[in-house]
Amino acid sequence: EVQLVESGGGLVKPGGSLRLSCAASGFSFSSSCMNWVRQAPGKGLEWVSSISTTSNYIYYANSLKGRFTISRDNAKNSLYLQVNSLRAEDTAVYYCARTPTDYISGPYYFDYWGQGTQVTVSS
Amino acid sequence: DIQMTQSPSTLSASVGDRVTITCRASQSISSWLAWYQQKPGKAPKLLIYKASSLETGVPSRFSGSGSGTEFTLTISSLQPDDFATYYCQQYNSYSGTFGQGTKVEIK
Repeated sequence: EVQLVESGGGLVKPGGSLRLSCAASGFSFSSSCMNWVRQAPGKGLEWVSSISTTSNYIYYANSLKGRFTISRDNAKNSLYLQVNSLRAEDTAVYYCARTPTDYISGPYYFDYWGQGTQVTVSS
Repeated sequence: DIQMTQSPSTLSASVGDRVTITCRASQSISSWLAWYQQKPGKAPKLLIYKASSLETGVPSRFSGSGSGTEFTLTISSLQPDDFATYYCQQYNSYSGTFGQGTKVEIK
């Protein structure tokens, strides 16, 4: 069974940083492209970032470039998102999601999702 | 960035109804479109990819159609489990944009 379990969220002050993690199991993590998608309270879904199997290809939403950094550790079956200079508008549930391909040239679709981790930015 | 517009934003329907949700792209995305279902407090679930391909395990009452800029998600006979919010998502460009969502409510 495919499982994606996010962690690392919490309450952080404006300007602060967090490192979100996603532990994957039940599939070949090293053969799957991975993604982060977020959802602000009461709002729709927003693609954040995608990373290829070997981290050679990385994509970010234009509005987030420079503050967010996606990475992965295939030996640990883990995906990460470093989020810096946090703003109130970054408050959201952050989902880890799998793309069912081993190659991407940009964001693709997402076939498995984690349950999400809540990030709240407030003073 | 490509903009995705869903209509309607809210839809009231009864069990057994045929339901259609429309998603329009601001420019052609070929067939690079997915549909998701989301229930309150839960992660989205993939229903359809490449505009009309049914994800494994998704009931056949769900179907997708369209290409270019106009797409539809159809539920042939609405079931109690189908009351949820539905999102389209384009993956033709580097933006991976989602539509704003369509909430399907009980009439």
